[in-house]
Amino acid sequence: AQSVTQLGSHVSVSEGALVLLRCNYSSSVPPYLFWYVQYPNQGLQLLLKYTTGATLVKGINGFEAEFKKSETSFHLTKPSAHMSDAAEYFCAVTGSGYQKVTFGTGTKLQVIP
Amino acid sequence: NAGVTQTPKFQVLKTGQSMTLQCAQDMNHEYMSWYRQDPGMGLRLIHYSVGAGITDQGEVPNGYNVSRSTTEDFPLRLLSAAPSQTSVYFCASSYSRRAAYNSPLHFGNGTRLTVT
Repeated sequence: AQSVTQLGSHVSVSEGALVLLRCNYSSSVPPYLFWYVQYPNQGLQLLLKYTTGATLVKGINGFEAEFKKSETSFHLTKPSAHMSDAAEYFCAVTGSGYQKVTFGTGTKLQVIP
Repeated sequence: NAGVTQTPKFQVLKTGQSMTLQCAQDMNHEYMSWYRQDPGMGLRLIHYSVGAGITDQGEVPNGYNVSRSTTEDFPLRLLSAAPSQTSVYFCASSYSRRAAYNSPLHFGNGTRLTVT
């Protein structure tokens, strides 16, 4: 079975500061990893994904994530936070059989002006 | 550009009542799934389908039934509602039978269900 752990249910950053949201995964097979974002009263939207190949993945809105197999991590970063980045972020993994996507518990990002 | 459509948006049920949450997609996606979202627990997979006539259980299937008679529709049935089923329910679809393999999950806007 696969799983993800997101460290920190709430993260606050100042506008313009670095955003770092942490995700560690567990999978018995090479994983596919994802970050999704959820704005209030909406469904989730894909930010970025890692399947194979380059371990540094760039997504929308200036976000990127690096797949580190040795650390079983897939942390999400953005160099400079914007007020519009305030949302809830979910890390997700699909593994054996690639038919179930397992989500983490989410991290709410607050951006302080 | 409808994407994934969920109805209703809000629903209040009494304990023991049954109901069906509707999900329809117009993108010809093979894969469809249902999640529930609860505070502090993220999204948990209830049931999923990799094509018409094929369904399977996810992480929390008890108390829910699904069927997939067409590619477009994937209704979720609550057989006898319980307060523990108070949640926000999301339907999600993907082009590939291997979920999110080459295309992302597309989510509906959710159904907020309260069971009293």
